[in-house]
Amino acid sequence: GAGVSQSPSNKVTEKGKDVELRCDPISGHTALYWYRQSLGQGLEFLIYFQGNSAPDKSGLPSDRFSAERTGGSVSTLTIQRTQQEDSAVYLCASSLSPQRTHTGELFFGEGSRLTVL
Amino acid sequence: GQNIDQPTEMTATEGAIVQINCTYQTSGFNGLFWYQQHAGEAPTFLSYNVLDGLEEKGRFSSFLSRSKGYSYLLLKELQMKDSASYLCAVRDYKGGYQKVTFGIGTKLQVIP
Repeated sequence: GAGVSQSPSNKVTEKGKDVELRCDPISGHTALYWYRQSLGQGLEFLIYFQGNSAPDKSGLPSDRFSAERTGGSVSTLTIQRTQQEDSAVYLCASSLSPQRTHTGELFFGEGSRLTVL
Repeated sequence: GQNIDQPTEMTATEGAIVQINCTYQTSGFNGLFWYQQHAGEAPTFLSYNVLDGLEEKGRFSSFLSRSKGYSYLLLKELQMKDSASYLCAVRDYKGGYQKVTFGIGTKLQVIP
């Protein structure tokens, strides 16, 4: 596609429910990142996928959070038993691997705003 | 891991020049990015440095000193639309992974 696509754009859920957030990266981008941004805060790294390698999960805040990337393309971030502190904007980004000819900058989607009541 | 520091807020006057500093600590440095983020929007790429020196793109310039773990973003001829958060991000290469970590962002307010 033309850009990184995320869905849903807005999600309101009740505490304790599970949610799934989807990211469709730019075609051909091998790297995919998930970040979380709480109101007025910076981007908190969650997880990073690179090609077919095992993901870097070092930023996931608890075992309620998981993510997968199928076929090296679409990714789903799942939050189980949501808590109010999970309320934030979840941003997905994709990139090419950095090489001499390009920087490998991250291209961001518009984000999924999650509100847990 | 990385430790990225930048001021949380700055104010500057329309037409002026402003410099936003960023310091970082990392063990596998492989590039530094600056992103702009307007309120309620996704971050957009501004500049990239991987070698020491100055990179210029129109009204925006970015400088890097790897030995000092230091970068700055310079914005010239400030316009009201430049009011936004400016995010410093460092790419760290370790064990085949290219993790990109962001600083908290500097909220710039441009006043008339």
